[in-house]
Amino acid sequence: DAKTTQPPSMDCAEGRAANLPCNHSTISGNEYVYWYRQIHSQGPQYIIHGLKNNETNEMASLIITEDRKSSTLILPHATLRDTAVYYCIVIGTYKYIFGTGTRLKVLA
Amino acid sequence: GAVVSQHPSRVICKSGTSVKIECRSLDFQATTMFWYRQFPKQSLMLMATSNEGSKATYEQGVEKDKFLINHASLTLSTLTVTSAHPEDSSFYICSASKIGGRARTGELFFGEGSRLTVL
Repeated sequence: DAKTTQPPSMDCAEGRAANLPCNHSTISGNEYVYWYRQIHSQGPQYIIHGLKNNETNEMASLIITEDRKSSTLILPHATLRDTAVYYCIVIGTYKYIFGTGTRLKVLA
Repeated sequence: GAVVSQHPSRVICKSGTSVKIECRSLDFQATTMFWYRQFPKQSLMLMATSNEGSKATYEQGVEKDKFLINHASLTLSTLTVTSAHPEDSSFYICSASKIGGRARTGELFFGEGSRLTVL
């Protein structure tokens, strides 16, 4: 499965939008982009996923570039409870490999 | 959404003993389950892929005789850490892939994790 690259850490002011980028330049046509987050000492929580179209749900929006080589997770109004490690993962048919993720810190 | 439950959530054991961690999919059938371990401030590391009714596939560097995985039914996979040592202390997380029904392609559902401390 494709490897993903994310910045190790980001800060965001409370109430502002948090934009978390992910590069997945080796993604293949049938692989989905999934985003999960992990709050300390808990299992990962599903956020959103997409194939090629932009997606939005109650938690976040996902913007995927036209060439699908990168994507951005957007938390429109970050709260303190959004402080977590965010993982971008490309899911195909076999292995589900997590990268290092982005540690997002929402600041009051 | 689908629920995956792990038990126990925390376990402390003496060096040399074996510990079993259970992973159950509560409201769906999971033909494939995955076991991860996570050290502090590190990402999840895939240990093995567990398929119902067949032997697990282990990642390179993971000792299959030390980390025994059994996936006897579509709703239960177990990880047994045999002859545990302090360096096995870690956060172990299972996940299940939901097949069929309303499942979104490839989505993983994660358990709450099990923290193992070996004294």
